[in-house]
Amino acid sequence: QKEVEQDPGPLSVPEGAIVSLNCTYSNSAFQYFMWYRQYSRKGPELLMYTYSSGNKEDGRFTAQVDKSSKYISLFIRDSQPSDSATYLCAMSASGGNEKLTFGTGTRLTIIP
Amino acid sequence: GAGVSQSPSNKVTEKGKDVELRCDPISGHTALYWYRQSLGQGLEFLIYFQGNSAPDKSGLPSDRFSAERTGGSVSTLTIQRTQQEDSAVYLCASSPGSGYTFGSGTRLTVV
Repeated sequence: QKEVEQDPGPLSVPEGAIVSLNCTYSNSAFQYFMWYRQYSRKGPELLMYTYSSGNKEDGRFTAQVDKSSKYISLFIRDSQPSDSATYLCAMSASGGNEKLTFGTGTRLTIIP
Repeated sequence: GAGVSQSPSNKVTEKGKDVELRCDPISGHTALYWYRQSLGQGLEFLIYFQGNSAPDKSGLPSDRFSAERTGGSVSTLTIQRTQQEDSAVYLCASSPGSGYTFGSGTRLTVV
């Protein structure tokens, strides 16, 4: 079993819809949780960075962490065609320089 | 430069040949990472350099893989005697202390 599980999709939704992306994990030492967005033929770029349990909002994006369930989510409101990309969750036990454990990524397409 | 630069962007090599992949991190970033991204496998950690400390090589899949970082800046990932299963996108990232910036990767195809 992988340390981090992520539904690979693909996921297609109409423009303007709310998107929910999720990851589960097994390592209870993970405390720092990230979401990366990766466009085709590009490297991943950091979208959201959260520590421990709770919610964090940044514009149309909300990250949620539930450590008791070992479950994290990324919500995208008012989805746009430009949000079409692969979304990867990542996590680590410490917030400093440390290797990250990534999910496999979910490919998202927003249909105009 | 403004970002992490990787070269070449694409590399096709014959099975059994050696390849070198280069990463120029963001100036001043003390940490440098190599990951491998295969279809359906997500990002797999390979190696991590932090300042002058000994690198964390725990992710290197075999002794055919090695990496060095010269002068705390540029890094080279070397794969010897390439195999078809080495075909993947090799991503480099650098960090000043928290949060990575990735390069666009080198797409390696072994034929």
